[in-house]
Amino acid sequence: AQSVTQLDSQVPVFEEAPVELRCNYSSSVSVYLFWYVQYPNQGLQLLLKYLSGSTLVKGINGFEAEFNKSQTSFHLRKPSVHISDTAEYFCAVSDPRYGQFYFGTGTSLTVIP
Amino acid sequence: DVKVTQSSRYLVKRTGEKVFLECVQDMDHENMFWYRQDPGLGLRLIYFSYDVKMKEKGDIPEGYSVSREKKERFSLILESASTNQTSMYLCASSLFYTEAFFGQGTRLTVV
Repeated sequence: AQSVTQLDSQVPVFEEAPVELRCNYSSSVSVYLFWYVQYPNQGLQLLLKYLSGSTLVKGINGFEAEFNKSQTSFHLRKPSVHISDTAEYFCAVSDPRYGQFYFGTGTSLTVIP
Repeated sequence: DVKVTQSSRYLVKRTGEKVFLECVQDMDHENMFWYRQDPGLGLRLIYFSYDVKMKEKGDIPEGYSVSREKKERFSLILESASTNQTSMYLCASSLFYTEAFFGQGTRLTVV
């Protein structure tokens, strides 16, 4: 089975500062990588995904992530955060053999005015 | 846009009741999932279905069952609700492994 580790459960950051949310995964096969965002009392919304091609992936709301195969990482970054970015962020992998998705435990991002 | 609709946003049920959580998707996706979300534990897979009448157990199937009689509908059943099943339940669908689309979630409280 695959596993996903999000190293930080909570990340406070000041408005307009940069942020990085860390994600590492373990897998014996090629996987596909995702970041989702969840606003309070809502479902998950896709921020970005890596399926193939360039290892630098750009998503919605100014977020980007870089796939590093040698370090089995897929860290999420934003150069300047906004109050509206306060939310829970989940890293996920999918296993193409079975079509299942595996999620990390989430990182709560709080943007401080 | 893909739409995944869960029948209830909030539910309150009594211990021992049989509870049905319904999920419908409108994009003809093969795969459907039920997850449970608890603080600090992330999303844990309860059951997964890759076709009509086909199902696979996820990581925490105990106390739950599922039904998929039609491709667009995937139901989660709590045979006898218990207080430790109080949680947020999320349904998702996907076309293979390329992206999962989520419903708004059902917050279930068992009293």
